[in-house]
Amino acid sequence: EVQLLQSGAEVKEHGTTVKISCTFSGVSFTDYNIHWVQQAPGKGLEWVGLIDPEYGESIYAEKFQGRVTITADTSTKTVYMELRSLRSDDTALYFCATGDFFLVVPATHRSFAFDIWGQGTTVTVSS
Amino acid sequence: EIVLTQSPGTLSLSPGERATLSCRASQALFNSHLAWYQHRPGQAPRLLIYGASIRATAIPDRFRGSGSDTDFTLTISRLEPEDFAVYYCQYYSSSSMYTFGQGTKLEI
Repeated sequence: EVQLLQSGAEVKEHGTTVKISCTFSGVSFTDYNIHWVQQAPGKGLEWVGLIDPEYGESIYAEKFQGRVTITADTSTKTVYMELRSLRSDDTALYFCATGDFFLVVPATHRSFAFDIWGQGTTVTVSS
Repeated sequence: EIVLTQSPGTLSLSPGERATLSCRASQALFNSHLAWYQHRPGQAPRLLIYGASIRATAIPDRFRGSGSDTDFTLTISRLEPEDFAVYYCQYYSSSSMYTFGQGTKLEI
C-alpha cells in the first residue's frame, strides 16, 4: 500500500524560502508522479505542480512558475517542494498527492486523479 | 485554460435529503479525466468519483457522478451526517495541467 508522509509545520518570514517534503512508502516510487496542492485559509484547492521521479521532469502551474521548484530524491523516495520569495498569500496547507496505477494516463504517465494524499503541511508566512 | 465553475457555492440541506452539486466547464471535457473530491476540515481530500461516473474504492453507492461535455453533476442520494463537507470537481488536461473548481460547501 502506498502512503505519503509529509514534513512538519513551518513558520517563515516574508521574502524567505521554505522547503517541505513528502516521503513515499511502498513499492515502485518511480511509477508515481507526485503532485502538490495548496489550500489557503478560506480558499479552495489549487494545483501547484508535479514531478515525475522516473524522468525527473517537473511541471508547474502558471501561478507558481518561477517561485516553486519540485524535486525528487529516488534514494530516499522523498519529494521536495521549495517555494521562494514567500508572501502572505503563500500561507496555506500544502498536500502532496498521487494517483494509483488505474488513475494513470498511459500515454502521458500522469495521474488524472488523486486517491493517495499526504496529511498536509502548514506553511505560515509572517510579515 | 479550462475553468471549472461549481454551483451552488453553499448548499444547506438536512440528513436524509438529496444533494445535487454542479460543475460546469469553460470548454468540452474528456469525461475520463473529471473527478470529484470530498474535503472535510483538517483532513486530506478524499477521491469520490473519477472518470466522471466511477466510484472510487470504498465510496458508498449513495454518491453518483454523471454528466458529459461541459456539465457534470455529483448527486448524494440520502445525506448522512458525515457527508457535510466541501466538494470539489477537478480536471486533468492533456497538457498536464490540473484544475479544481472553487468548491461547494454542503452544510446542515
